[in-house]
Formats: sequence, C-alpha cells, structure tokens
Amino acid sequence: KNEVEQSPQNLTAQEGEFITINCSYSVGISALHWLQQHPGGGIVSLFMLSSGKKKHGRLIATINIQEKHSSLHITASHPRDSAVYICAAGGGADGLTFGKGTHLIIQP
Amino acid sequence: EAQVTQNPRYLITVTGKKLTVTCSQNMNHEYMSWYRQDPGLGLRQIYYSMNVEVTDKGDVPEGYKVSRKEKRNFPLILESPSPNQTSLYFCASSPGQGPNQPQHFGDGTRLSIL
Repeated sequence: KNEVEQSPQNLTAQEGEFITINCSYSVGISALHWLQQHPGGGIVSLFMLSSGKKKHGRLIATINIQEKHSSLHITASHPRDSAVYICAAGGGADGLTFGKGTHLIIQP
Repeated sequence: EAQVTQNPRYLITVTGKKLTVTCSQNMNHEYMSWYRQDPGLGLRQIYYSMNVEVTDKGDVPEGYKVSRKEKRNFPLILESPSPNQTSLYFCASSPGQGPNQPQHFGDGTRLSIL
C-alpha cells in the first residue's frame, strides 16, 4: 500500500511570501491530486497530475515521477490561501491514498 | 452547477440511534465513495461504488452500510452508531474508477455520537 507523506505539517507565513508544500509517496503511481480544504468547508480539487507541471493562477503543482515527489507552490500568498492542503496519490486500479494535510496560515 | 450535495451538514445524536447521511451528485458520475477524516489521520475510504448496485468495502468499513439504487445517490447508513464514529465525513464522486479521474467532494458532514 502506498504511503503518502506531506511536509511541513503546519506552516505560517506572511502575506506575499512564496509557499512550498511537499508530498512524497512510496509506490509508483499514475496520478497525484492536490486538494484544498477551508475551515468548516468542503474539499476542492486543485490539480490532478501524472507528469510535469501545471499552473492555475498563483498556484503551481509539479511532480517528479522518478523521485516520487510532488510540490505545490503558491506565489504572492494571500490570507485567503489559508487552508489545509492535501495530496493524494494512486496507481492502477487502487483507490487514492491521502496525506495527512498541511495546515497553512497566511498572516496579513 | 456541478456539485456533490451531502445532508445533513451537522448532526449530534446518541449511541445506537440509526442514522443516514445522504449524498447526491448531478454529474452522472459512475464512481462514488465515502471517506472519514479524523485529526492526525488522512482521509480514509469507508465504502465505494463503481456503479448502480455495485458497492465494495474501503479501508474502514466496520459499522457502516451503503446502497446505490440510483446513479446519483449514495447514502451512508450507520445502523447502530457508536462514539468512535464521531468524525467528519465526505462523499466524493468521479466519472469512473481509478486515480486518473477528477475528484469532486461534498461539503462534509460533521457527526457527533454521544
């Protein structure tokens, strides 16, 4: 079974800073997802990746299949980016294995 | 608007009193699943369904039941809830099975079992 590790667990930063959240997994996969969960809210899918890099607004997600590692970057961070960010990985017919999440706080 | 709708959003109840959490999606997705989220643990899959009348256990199915009589609905049933089922529950859907599918989640249901 895949093991998915995220770092850091908690991150507090100032508005405008460049943010990086990391995700490592133990077994080869066919897709990796980045999800966002706001306090008291639902879960929103940000990216689904199988290779390379994707960008949406100020968010960038990259994946290195050989190193079994993915990163989520936030440029020009804003307090509204404060949320829990979750990565989830899976391969073949398996379901997704989820990381424990990174709790991000952006202070004004 | 494409969405996954869960009800109720919050529920406090007592041990042993049967309850159902409903989940409905309007995207004609074949695959639906239920997860629970607990502090310090990642999302864990309870049950999933690949299509109407096809359901299977996930990683933590004990104490739960599901049904899939219609494509859009996938209720989660707790026949005799216990305090260890106090958790935040999410329903999710995707067009098909497998990790290469875009995932759509509901807003969550916070259950407290006293």
